[in-house]
Amino acid sequence: QVQLQESGPGLVKPSETLSLTCSVSGTSVTNNYYYWGWIRQPPGRGLEWIGNVYTSGTTYFNPSLKSRVSLSLDTSTNQFSLSLDSVSVADTAIYFCARGHRRVVVPSASDSWGQGILVTVSS
Amino acid sequence: DIQMTQSPSTVSAFIGDRVTITCRASQDIVSWLAWFQQKPGKAPKLLMYDGSKLNSGVPSRFSGSGSGTEFTLTISSLQPDDFGTYYCQQYKSYSWTFGQGTKVEI
Repeated sequence: QVQLQESGPGLVKPSETLSLTCSVSGTSVTNNYYYWGWIRQPPGRGLEWIGNVYTSGTTYFNPSLKSRVSLSLDTSTNQFSLSLDSVSVADTAIYFCARGHRRVVVPSASDSWGQGILVTVSS
Repeated sequence: DIQMTQSPSTVSAFIGDRVTITCRASQDIVSWLAWFQQKPGKAPKLLMYDGSKLNSGVPSRFSGSGSGTEFTLTISSLQPDDFGTYYCQQYKSYSWTFGQGTKVEI
């Protein structure tokens, strides 16, 4: 059974870079059956998809965040990471990492999620 | 971007009631739609995918239907554990989007 766990700083200053890691157990991030993604949720609000990364290195991003976000896989530690540049108060949210299945036509919805980590942007 | 609109925003129902939530897409998403349930302080849980396919372990009182631009999630007989907020999500385009959520109150 796959398990995902987010980690990283809970407080980031405005204009700095938010960096989070998702540790994966129960499967390998190099498994071609899967993609790995990030979703966020501002406190008390709805879900916002951030982006997905595939084992090939291909990435897809929310257009509203595309200029500031990058995703990567670390095969040596079986983790994947999110980096969000030039953060502001509006980036304060619970950040979830997730896994889904690759398919021929379109990927499936994310069926395994981490518990989430609250990141606050404040000076 | 494909916009997803859910209705209603809140539904209050009794145990045993049939509950229906609607999700409308701003353009054709075929059947590439998922439904999630989220409880306070928890990660979303995948209920349905591809519009009408029940995820493993999800009770059969949940069902999904629709295609194109209009979709519904139905709970045939509301149970105490079904409280929470429900989100639809489209994954047709390379830019995925969620609906704004529907809160189900028992």
